[in-house]
Amino acid sequence: DAMVIQNPRYQVTQFGKPVTLSCSQTLNHNVMYWYQQKSSQAPKLLFHYYDKDFNNEADTPDNFQSRRPNTSFCFLDIRSPGLGDAAMYLCATSNRVGTYEQYFGPGTRLTVT
Amino acid sequence: ILNVEQSPQSLHVQEGDSTNFTCSFPSSNFYALHWYRWETAKSPEALFVMTLNGDEKKKGRISATLNTKEGYSYLYIKGSQPEDSATYLCAPKGGGSNYKLTFGKGTLLTVNP
Repeated sequence: DAMVIQNPRYQVTQFGKPVTLSCSQTLNHNVMYWYQQKSSQAPKLLFHYYDKDFNNEADTPDNFQSRRPNTSFCFLDIRSPGLGDAAMYLCATSNRVGTYEQYFGPGTRLTVT
Repeated sequence: ILNVEQSPQSLHVQEGDSTNFTCSFPSSNFYALHWYRWETAKSPEALFVMTLNGDEKKKGRISATLNTKEGYSYLYIKGSQPEDSATYLCAPKGGGSNYKLTFGKGTLLTVNP
């Protein structure tokens, strides 16, 4: 089945130690998104790519970066994780037309020690 | 940034009960309203995409209505089952050429056997 895959499902990193989360898709969608979701909060959009065009949200900290080397893969890099960055990170994809329905991966739960 | 409100924040019902919850959003510049179901340890899954005022969608025991003029949508579950336990997220999309959805905090439904 076509799908969105996130690895790893659980990631533990140390305070200040760079960490990379990965996302891949077999849907061949143009748009890929990264969300951060903290407990009892709404998923918050960090950035999205339309093809190779990167779109950063105005309030996304500089500590968060992203790469999309090809259509299938997208990475979230956290350069110096703080305790406040512990969260669920969701990757999603969508087509660039229609109702923009998003297809989600299962998320990566990041713990910062 | 759209202001999206979902109520209640959480809900406990008994198996067999029918239930409903609400999503409120700005009525101006409306394009579409998405409902997602997010079960623990799984990917958020699209339930409905609604675009027209007065729209009603149904999938099995779950249905949704949309009022774009007053800015709200209701999600109904008839005869709740334990497998309906999940967080239900709504996400309106405004007009314009971006590809972003704005999510509410969700309603956490727990169905007790």
